[in-house]
Amino acid sequence: NAGVMQNPRHLVRRRGQEARLRCSPVKGHSHVYWYRQLPEEGLKFMVYLQKENIIDESGMPKERFSAEFPKEGPSILRIQQVVRGDSAAYFCASSPPSNVFTEAFFGQGTRLTVV
Amino acid sequence: GQQLNQSPQSMFIQEGEDVSMNCTSSSIFNTWLWYKQDPGEGPVLLIALYKAGELTSNGRLTAQFGITRKDSFLNISASIPSDVGIYFCAGQLTGTASKLTFGTGTRLQVTL
Repeated sequence: NAGVMQNPRHLVRRRGQEARLRCSPVKGHSHVYWYRQLPEEGLKFMVYLQKENIIDESGMPKERFSAEFPKEGPSILRIQQVVRGDSAAYFCASSPPSNVFTEAFFGQGTRLTVV
Repeated sequence: GQQLNQSPQSMFIQEGEDVSMNCTSSSIFNTWLWYKQDPGEGPVLLIALYKAGELTSNGRLTAQFGITRKDSFLNISASIPSDVGIYFCAGQLTGTASKLTFGTGTRLQVTL
């Protein structure tokens, strides 16, 4: 998973605040995926993005969650008005233009705690 | 939503023992992947399987893609302490671009 940088590693937010999670993909990778992992569970797909495009957001909650991957800069996962149930580890993965997921690397994750 | 069931949920084994875990699904997958996750880290890919019946090895790890395309197993031979972690299977559904469906995980603990 070398190269995919996520920050912050840990984030504490009070209920009702906004959380912004950043993901810088491996250099040269143009595909980014966000996954959420609740305690003691497997990862659940949230969204798949290419530069400036959302390709598949079928795993994103309908409200409060949004994601972007601008032409310049990192991908951002934004959670508005956080609630306790949003507490989880959020992982980003990136893959090269060939879009073969077996060439994708995961970052170390951002652990969000809502108090 | 779609879920992969892994068994066992957890296992304690002694160093040097062989380990076997499996993953089953109600749906067909066209790719199976096995990942290992250490505490506080992201998943790291161990083995990828692309064809039904395929048997692939990576060092002490061996994995197979079931004939029905609805299951897979992972074997670890001669376990060592650094094998400790959570092992996840993941399937890529036919027709989807990239998203994976992850299993529930098998937590492995190795004692000396």
